[in-house]
Amino acid sequence: NAGVMQNPRHLVRRRGQEARLRCSPMKGHSHVYWYRQLPEEGLKFMVYLQKENIIDESGMPKERFSAEFPKEGPSILRIQQVVRGDSAAYFCASSPQPQGGAEAFFGQGTRLTVV
Amino acid sequence: RKEVEQDPGPFNVPEGATVAFNCTYSNSASQSFFWYRQDCRKEPKLLMSVYSSGNEDGRFTAQLNRASQYISLLIRDSKLSDSATYLCVVRGYQKVTFGTGTKLQVIP
Repeated sequence: NAGVMQNPRHLVRRRGQEARLRCSPMKGHSHVYWYRQLPEEGLKFMVYLQKENIIDESGMPKERFSAEFPKEGPSILRIQQVVRGDSAAYFCASSPQPQGGAEAFFGQGTRLTVV
Repeated sequence: RKEVEQDPGPFNVPEGATVAFNCTYSNSASQSFFWYRQDCRKEPKLLMSVYSSGNEDGRFTAQLNRASQYISLLIRDSKLSDSATYLCVVRGYQKVTFGTGTKLQVIP
C-alpha cells in the first residue's frame, strides 16, 4: 500500500510561469489537505478537499492559487503567475473519512523554487 | 482564536532533561488527537495518538484534558535525536487541523 505520493519532488519555475503540484492520496483515502511551509516556519493550512468538493479553502490566497480533487486522478494544487514569495515546500496529507479517529499521512512534499 | 495553538519555541534543553509541550484547541467537539514530529526539510510523521486516559510510549507521554481543551506531550530523558518540531493535531467531524509546531533543540 503506497503512501501519499507527491510529484514532482522539486520544481523550479521562472516568475510568471504556472506551477502544478500533484498529490495522490493513500489508497482508500478520500480526504486531502494541502499545506505550505516557508523556510524556518511552521505548516500553514491552505485547503481541504474531498473527492470533487472543496470543503475548506480558508488558507488559500485569494488570487493565483486553486486546488481540485477530481473523481479520478490526483489532487492538483495550481499556482498561476508564480512570484518569488511562492517559493516554499508544499505538503499534501490524506486521510480516510474523519470518523473513526484515523490519522492523516503526509507526502514527502514538493519544493517549489521560483527564480 | 486559532483552531489549534502551540508555542512555536524554540525550546532549548540539555540532554537528559524533561520537556513538556502544550497545545490548545478551540473546537470542543473535536474527536481525536495526535502528536506528529517533523524533522528539518522532511514531511511530518505520526509520533503518537493521544487517548482520553493518557498514554505512554517509552520516554513519551501524551495527555488530553477535554475540560480545558488542551493536549500535552512530555519527553523524558531527552536525546539529541529528539531535536525536531512537534506538531499537535486535532481531528474533528469534518477535518484534521494541524498546529504550526513547537521546535525542540536538545543540546549536548
